[in-house]
Amino acid sequence: GENVEQHPSTLSVQEGDSAVIKCTYSDSASNYFPWYKQELGKGPQLIIDIRSNVGEKKDQRIAVTLNKTAKHFSLHITETQPEDSAVYFCAASKGNSGYSTLTFGKGTMLLVSP
Amino acid sequence: EPEVTQTPSHQVTQMGQEVILRCVPISNHLYFYWYRQILGQKVEFLVSFYNNEISEKSEIFDDQFSVERPDGSNFTLKIRSTKLEDSAMYFCASRRDRGLPGTYEQYFGPGTRLTVT
Repeated sequence: GENVEQHPSTLSVQEGDSAVIKCTYSDSASNYFPWYKQELGKGPQLIIDIRSNVGEKKDQRIAVTLNKTAKHFSLHITETQPEDSAVYFCAASKGNSGYSTLTFGKGTMLLVSP
Repeated sequence: EPEVTQTPSHQVTQMGQEVILRCVPISNHLYFYWYRQILGQKVEFLVSFYNNEISEKSEIFDDQFSVERPDGSNFTLKIRSTKLEDSAMYFCASRRDRGLPGTYEQYFGPGTRLTVT
């Protein structure tokens, strides 16, 4: 089955700095890669995703890049703010197929200091 | 904006008791999922459900677990005889049908914290 590795496990940055979280996946059939933000006591919130036919996607301060050859995808947050502090999970799935279950990475705790 | 809702937010039960966790998926979604997250660990897939049947389940989803869509809006997870190791946060998620825009995205509910004592 799919295996998703995520690092770093914790990331501390100063407000205004950029943050990068990296994930690798094992199943070359995976074609959909979402990122979730989880705040304390809440469910995972989808913040951005990318499909395998695209190399990069951007939404305001957040961007995701995908390297299918290396089976590697990354989340980039620019101009970080204290409210960005949360746990971020990457995931992989076979997207639109019936077997579209998400396999998650272990999460990255992002701490943004004012 | 439509949301996935879950009840209760916190359930405390004694070992060996049955629990039912409830979810109301987003109204036009047709794929439903249960995931769990043991404290401090990653989110793990339990089961997916489509067209009134299980489409996939993980090794975690053994005979003690069952799912049901008893009516047009609710989706439930039942644990027949809870164990201490079932203590976790349980998340329901839903997804639109294939062929429609946004069919890849899974939206999660706020979770039910299950504590087995």
